[in-house]
Amino acid sequence: GDSVTQMEGPVTLSEEAFLTINCTYTATGYPSLFWYVQYPGEGLQLLLKATKADDKGSNKGFEATYRKETTSFHLEKGSVQVSDSAVYFCALSALGGSARQLTFGSGTQLTVLP
Amino acid sequence: GAGVSQSPRYKVAKRGQDVALRCDPISGHVSLFWYQQALGQGPEFLTYFQNEAQLDKSGLPSDRFFAERPEGSVSTLKIQRTQQEDSAVYLCASSLGGGGGAVQLFFGPGTRLTVL
Repeated sequence: GDSVTQMEGPVTLSEEAFLTINCTYTATGYPSLFWYVQYPGEGLQLLLKATKADDKGSNKGFEATYRKETTSFHLEKGSVQVSDSAVYFCALSALGGSARQLTFGSGTQLTVLP
Repeated sequence: GAGVSQSPRYKVAKRGQDVALRCDPISGHVSLFWYQQALGQGPEFLTYFQNEAQLDKSGLPSDRFFAERPEGSVSTLKIQRTQQEDSAVYLCASSLGGGGGAVQLFFGPGTRLTVL
């Protein structure tokens, strides 16, 4: 079945450091890929998405590129801020059949220190 | 409303009790999803509605779990004879469209269920 494997956390960085959170997936066909973010006390929010190979999703300074050859969708940000502290989830949605639901990774807790 | 709302936000139940969790999706959203999120894990799919029709319930872990959306808006997830392993955060999400791989889901804040 479909699955998502995320870099284990927690990750602690200093403000303005470079961030990478690794994500790889297993799926049949050509899934859409997502990063969701969960800030403390809030619901999951879509951060960015990519729907086909080589697409780059970007939002709020975060980027991720859909790499079909390596089945990866790593999240990057050049300079993190304290306000980026949250849990980040990589997810996929496989096309076809009744697979409208998202399959999530286990999440990566990010803490950014001032 | 402005977003997806869920109630109650917290629920403590004794083992064997029945519970009902409510989800109010964004007005006009066709699709509604329920997910279960165990501590330290990512959400796992439970069930999916398109309007009032339950199109996929493959993720419901047992026949103690039941979900409904009778008028195509508010949904209720019911868990009968709760067990300790049911302790988790239950997330509801809605989307405007009726399916497809890239639709954006809007999540509620979740209901944290603790079974003692």
